[in-house]
Amino acid sequence: EDKVVQSPLSLVVHEGDTVTLNCSYEVTNFRSLLWYKQEKKAPTFLFMLTSSGIEKKSGRLSSILDKKELFSILNITATQTGDSAVYLCAVSGSSGDKLTFGTGTRLAVRP
Amino acid sequence: NAGVTQTPKFRVLKTGQSMTLLCAQDMNHEYMYWYRQDPGMGLRLIHYSVGEGTTAKGEVPDGYNVSRLKKQNFLLGLESAAPSQTSVYFCASRNYRGTMNTEAFFGQGTRLTVV
Repeated sequence: EDKVVQSPLSLVVHEGDTVTLNCSYEVTNFRSLLWYKQEKKAPTFLFMLTSSGIEKKSGRLSSILDKKELFSILNITATQTGDSAVYLCAVSGSSGDKLTFGTGTRLAVRP
Repeated sequence: NAGVTQTPKFRVLKTGQSMTLLCAQDMNHEYMYWYRQDPGMGLRLIHYSVGEGTTAKGEVPDGYNVSRLKKQNFLLGLESAAPSQTSVYFCASRNYRGTMNTEAFFGQGTRLTVV
């Protein structure tokens, strides 16, 4: 059974802070790890990582995967109130091509 | 670009009633998924499909049935609704790019309340 664990469950920071969100996983025949941001409605895609040690970056957000230690981190620098959301991590393996999500990290950025 | 469209967006059911949620995608994706999202639980996979005419059980399939008669549509049925099925339901689809799956695209969700 594929498993994804995210930490922390929730986090409150002030604008301008840097945050690191964690995602550890167990999956048969790992294929990819995906990060999503969810505000009030549907999750929106941030990154997909397939190779270890290669950082994906988009503006103030970046993510990296460690396939040996089975985890990924999502970094957000110079946080803004618009970054307030639930951040979801998901993994895909070869066991029927399911996409398994963690419970998410709820980030609140205070002015 | 419609992407993934779910209908209805909201629904209130009485215990024991049945209903079908429709998910339609116009991206010619092979894979489609139904998830439910409850407070503090993340997204839990109900059923999924890897192609037209195929379906498989996910993490929480009990009380639900699905069908994928056409590639673009994935239907989720509740035969006899229970209050425990009160939730927000999301449909998603994705495809291959080379040998890798692409990211999943989500519908806007269906908020279902069973009273």
